[in-house]
Amino acid sequence: DQQVKQNSPSLSVQEGRISILNCDYTNSMFDYFLWYKKYPAEGPTFLISISSIKDKNEDGRFTVFLNKSAKHLSLHIVPSQPGDSAVYFCAASGSSGGSNYKLTFGKGTLLTVNP
Amino acid sequence: DTGVSQDPRHKITKRGQNVTFRCDPISEHNRLYWYRQTLGQGPEFLTYFQNEAQLEKSRLLSDRFSAERPKGSFSTLEIQRTEQGDSAMYLCAINHRTYQETQYFGPGTRLLVL
Repeated sequence: DQQVKQNSPSLSVQEGRISILNCDYTNSMFDYFLWYKKYPAEGPTFLISISSIKDKNEDGRFTVFLNKSAKHLSLHIVPSQPGDSAVYFCAASGSSGGSNYKLTFGKGTLLTVNP
Repeated sequence: DTGVSQDPRHKITKRGQNVTFRCDPISEHNRLYWYRQTLGQGPEFLTYFQNEAQLEKSRLLSDRFSAERPKGSFSTLEIQRTEQGDSAMYLCAINHRTYQETQYFGPGTRLLVL
């Protein structure tokens, strides 16, 4: 069963506009959420994270929103740039119960930012 | 630079052969993870080390897979009697020193089993 779901395989936006990437999770034990960006033939690059005690975290052009009641998070990129074109992965971990902080990933969303 | 190197970056092998991958954090990190990513999927957890102790293994890690971290620094992942289904990218990750929940990944080793 997929505990972290990214239901949109792809997203295309115009340069300068907002990109919104969505992620849903089912495991209530998750209490830390991360977004990674990945180019082909490279490892994932950490972008931004959020703890379950917060509902928003911002870092430059990237903002992550968490809605715990809906078990939903989203990544906003404003303004989008062509260099943002990549696959974006949502990941979750649980720090309690000896989970060792291992990450559970979604399948990813391919973002294409058109000039 | 994520502080993690992996070697080799690419490996092509024939079915039935053994392969070994290496992960080198550039500085000491107590936690080290291995993940596997296949086409169209996100990375999947394989195993985890705290220092030299292997504390958790996924069901994905069959008995053909073995991982070690002998001195609590670098780690190796060996696959014996490779199968075509082992073709994937193998990723190593280390934890952030302060924010343990955050992991930084190496560039990965792309394995192709013919």
